Amino acid sequence: QSALTQPASVSGSPGQSITISCTGTSSDVGSYNLVSWYQQHPGKAPKLMIYEGSKRPSGVSNRFSGSKSGNTASLTISGLQAEDEADYYCCSYAGGSIVLFGGGTKLTVL
Amino acid sequence: QLQLQESGPGLVKPSETLSLTCTVSGGSISSGTYYWGWIRQPPGKGLEWIGNIYYSGGTYYNPSLKSRVTISVDTSRSQFSLKLNSVTAADTAVYYCARRQPLAYFDYWGQGTLVTVSS
Repeated sequence: QSALTQPASVSGSPGQSITISCTGTSSDVGSYNLVSWYQQHPGKAPKLMIYEGSKRPSGVSNRFSGSKSGNTASLTISGLQAEDEADYYCCSYAGGSIVLFGGGTKLTVL
Repeated sequence: QLQLQESGPGLVKPSETLSLTCTVSGGSISSGTYYWGWIRQPPGKGLEWIGNIYYSGGTYYNPSLKSRVTISVDTSRSQFSLKLNSVTAADTAVYYCARRQPLAYFDYWGQGTLVTVSS
């Protein structure tokens, strides 16, 4: 299995919306609605933001939303805030208890 | 509140074995619901799943690392451990332990520990 494909970087201005894509294959993203998204600030551990494709853990802002179409999952952040600037990683179940991570996307808030 | 804490040597020599332990507090490692996993992140790079273990001892490993990895659990100490043998500089990374839900997401993470492979 190969890592999932994410854009290396995205940017947006405060208040705007951005979307980060995560492309896999019919064996992982396309087969299961089990994509999760993680936010990672420098020097910190990843934090779960979205699970099972579109569900938000308690305490995560409703500005974060997840979706999927075919072999591509997406994370949308609306109403961008300075504190959203971080690295974001997607993760998908790939069968046989295996999970795959994406390469990560650096979000810059202009 | 569940907490996980990694511990182990920060420096390992090439060809030797990397050994780390994760101590779980604030919850039971023996819960029949969860898996316990290891993820690593080389400096400046992305996350890589290493493997996970069920409290009863069942293990699942990343196929690319399977030949070198062993994960074990000690429920009496509320700990699970990682051993990675024959390490090289490419194994230099921050190693995280995490709780994995049955539906394949990681909801609690340790703070991570940097392991450098160097002579």
